[in-house]
Amino acid sequence: NAGVTQTPKFRVLKTGQSMTLLCAQDMNHEYMYWYRQDPGMGLRLIHYSVGEGTTAKGEVPDGYNVSRLKKQNFLLGLESAAPSQTSVYFCASSYPGKDGYTFGSGTRLTVV
Amino acid sequence: AQSVTQPDIHITVSEGASLELRCNYSYGATPYLFWYVQSPGQGLQLLLKYFSGDTLVQGIKGFEAEFKRSQSSFNLRKPSVHWSDAAEYFCAVSDQAGTALIFGKGTTLSVSS
Repeated sequence: NAGVTQTPKFRVLKTGQSMTLLCAQDMNHEYMYWYRQDPGMGLRLIHYSVGEGTTAKGEVPDGYNVSRLKKQNFLLGLESAAPSQTSVYFCASSYPGKDGYTFGSGTRLTVV
Repeated sequence: AQSVTQPDIHITVSEGASLELRCNYSYGATPYLFWYVQSPGQGLQLLLKYFSGDTLVQGIKGFEAEFKRSQSSFNLRKPSVHWSDAAEYFCAVSDQAGTALIFGKGTTLSVSS
């Protein structure tokens, strides 16, 4: 089915470990986003991309890096995971000038 | 910078009663406004959106919202709440179609029988 696919869906990391979350979309959307969701905080924008090869910081970028080497993929990296990064991560995509946003189903990350 | 405020963290409504969830935004021009719902452990589902035109917007599941520019508000309403409406509700805003959404902190709705 067309949409946004996030991999993995669940992950437990030890403090200091690294990992990469993958977001893939097949709708030819130009814009892609990474959000984190924490209780009582809503969804906060981590990083976003307005096209292949471009990335920009959102509201809470510290501790994360991103890459958009291919238009359909947006990777979120944690170089040295911290317990404060325990969260649910959502990826989303959209097309400029269009009103639709497509969200992935989320990745639940626990850092112990 | 844009911001969204949802003043109510938690609301409890009796089944069959009416519902209004408040949302205030801060943005100079006319924003693009959205309401999403999230059931526990699930992803986000779009309820409705407003870009322009009629300020009363109809959405799915019997929800509606009214854009009031003078009050910088976009409140969500439902005339009769069902137990299945219990969930978390998020208001969101963007400055242009398709650009980054800024979310409020959410309102948790509980429905009592």
